[in-house]
Amino acid sequence: DGGITQSPKYLFRKEGQNVTLSCEQNLNHDAMYWYRQDPGQGLRLIYYSQIVNDFQKGDIAEGYSVSREKKESFPLTVTSAQKNPTAFYLCASGLAGVYNEQFFGPGTRLTVL
Amino acid sequence: EDQVTQSPEALRLQEGESSSLNCSYTVSGLRGLFWYRQDPGKGPEFLFTLYSAGEEKEKERLKATLTKKESFLHITAPKPEDSATYLCAVRANSGYALNFGKGTSLLVTP
Repeated sequence: DGGITQSPKYLFRKEGQNVTLSCEQNLNHDAMYWYRQDPGQGLRLIYYSQIVNDFQKGDIAEGYSVSREKKESFPLTVTSAQKNPTAFYLCASGLAGVYNEQFFGPGTRLTVL
Repeated sequence: EDQVTQSPEALRLQEGESSSLNCSYTVSGLRGLFWYRQDPGKGPEFLFTLYSAGEEKEKERLKATLTKKESFLHITAPKPEDSATYLCAVRANSGYALNFGKGTSLLVTP
């Protein structure tokens, strides 16, 4: 089945720990994105990548890091520098270019204890 | 600054009671307006893309329309399974990112 997978579905982190969220797609999409969703707010862009080995910061990149070593994978690391990391994290992918749709994975809910 | 405002925030309908959701936007150079459906605890599901004023798209009980300032998502004879949060997003000339509204939470009761 073609699609976007995110793991884990739920993640608990202690303060001061770094955690990495996985995002994999087998849709042969060049572009991948990470968004954060908080209650009562719209989705906000953290990072995006239009091609392997290249990525750009979104609106709220502070405290996050990414890598894009493979076309299929775009992992997100939430570092201890992120002040309020508890949120629902969504990965998306799409064809490269500025007119194309983005398709979302099922999400990872991160809770800081 | 690009802005997307959705209204109402919440809407409750009886099964079969048609209505519309609104998405107002201000962007410099629209490169697409996107509608998504999101169920609780899940990722958004893509519904429609609209690119130019006057464009319309339909899927089952849903119809999306676009003007120069807003988009409507019309729901005809809704069923309880249409209950979800509907998200609107725009992409502007400024880049690749989608700018999302806060969504409309729709509840359809039997």
